Amino acid sequence: AQRVTQPEKLLSVFKGAPVELKCNYSYSGSPELFWYVQYSRQRLQLLLRHISRESIKGFTADLNKGETSFHLKKPFAQEEDSAMYYCALSYPITYNNTNAGKSTFGDGTTLTVKP
Amino acid sequence: KAGVTQTPRYLIKTRGQQVTLSCSPISGHRSVSWYQQTPGQGLQFLFEYFSETQRNKGNFPGRFSGRQFSNSRSEMNVSTLELGDSALYLCASSKGRGAETQYFGPGTRLLVL
Repeated sequence: AQRVTQPEKLLSVFKGAPVELKCNYSYSGSPELFWYVQYSRQRLQLLLRHISRESIKGFTADLNKGETSFHLKKPFAQEEDSAMYYCALSYPITYNNTNAGKSTFGDGTTLTVKP
Repeated sequence: KAGVTQTPRYLIKTRGQQVTLSCSPISGHRSVSWYQQTPGQGLQFLFEYFSETQRNKGNFPGRFSGRQFSNSRSEMNVSTLELGDSALYLCASSKGRGAETQYFGPGTRLLVL
């Protein structure tokens, strides 16, 4: 069964420090990995996805298939990065993929960036 | 483009009642997924609808059901409400199925007394 694990419920760093939010997954097949973010009083929104290989707001995430990880990193955290971050896994539509269309989210990590 | 909208935003019900929540996806989006968000369980996948058909379902009892209309709008229904159904119910839409970016609504907060 697909599973996404975010081992840290809470993460606190100082402004300007590097930050890494961990995400590990278990899968069967070739899933697509995402990071979603929820800022205070805002709706959940996409931060980045593996397939686009973009850097959004200074964040990057590298897919490590050997370690089944998709950790989110930023070299210099900003106070406006304080938010809840969710790692998510989805399956593409392929023949005989009963998981297609189903998304699995981790429990989320609350990041606090202190001044 | 208008974002995903959900109605109502807040709801208070008592045990045993039933509730219907509504979701209007972004124009042109044909896939709608529903999630239950609670502090203890995080985001749990309920079901996915595409072209008026339920395509996938999470591990929830049969009291949870849904449907999708020809204009892609979706509703979910919970019958015989239990205290544990108190949660934020999120709807997300995407253009198609599979590994697509999902766009979330603001959620409907349901409190069961």
